[in-house]
Amino acid sequence: EAGVAQSPRYKIIEKRQSVAFWCNPISGHATLYWYQQILGQGPKLLIQFQNNGVVDDSQLPKDRFSAERLKGVDSTLKIQPAKLEDSAVYLCASSFDKNIQYFGAGTRLSVL
Amino acid sequence: AQSVAQPEDQVNVAEGNPLTVKCTYSVSGNPYLFWYVQYPNRGLQFLLKYITGDNLVKGSYGFEAEFNKSQTSFHLKKPSALVSDSALYFCAVRDLSFNKFYFGSGTKLNVKP
Repeated sequence: EAGVAQSPRYKIIEKRQSVAFWCNPISGHATLYWYQQILGQGPKLLIQFQNNGVVDDSQLPKDRFSAERLKGVDSTLKIQPAKLEDSAVYLCASSFDKNIQYFGAGTRLSVL
Repeated sequence: AQSVAQPEDQVNVAEGNPLTVKCTYSVSGNPYLFWYVQYPNRGLQFLLKYITGDNLVKGSYGFEAEFNKSQTSFHLKKPSALVSDSALYFCAVRDLSFNKFYFGSGTKLNVKP
């Protein structure tokens, strides 16, 4: 069974630039999560999708972050414009039962 | 406010010795509890979960965790540590009232030969 795929693995941008991350969940998993993991901290949930609908985006900085889940499968997370404090690892996870989450390897973003 | 606490940033243990990684939570109701492990440059990997039933749950790689409702704790344990267990461990809680997940800040486990 293929795992959660994320790309790119690494991204370096300058502040005020835009960036997008892509996630392909495990086939058949209806729930998809995006997390932000700042160095030395645990993952913080940014947004949760159930199929292509948003369940929770209460911690998503909506003035600069946006996310969508096309046709209830792949998802993209965008930051526009990026700030220095956005430097983090962005993790995508998917779940079949809303309990056990399967994580991708993440995208490490450095904002200079 | 809902939260998950992992009071130790780092735990050091010798190979072959028992290990404990601590976790306490502050979430309303009867939450679901989880442990995940993260190896360098990898995503988090599920270890075990507690939903209901026996307070001692067994998971992958010989790990187990003990749920204590009165102390609101869910400590991760292993009877005999291996060097390969060295990694970052995260406790997580699913708040059923709001269907939200909260992760602790992580504990780095170092197992020395």
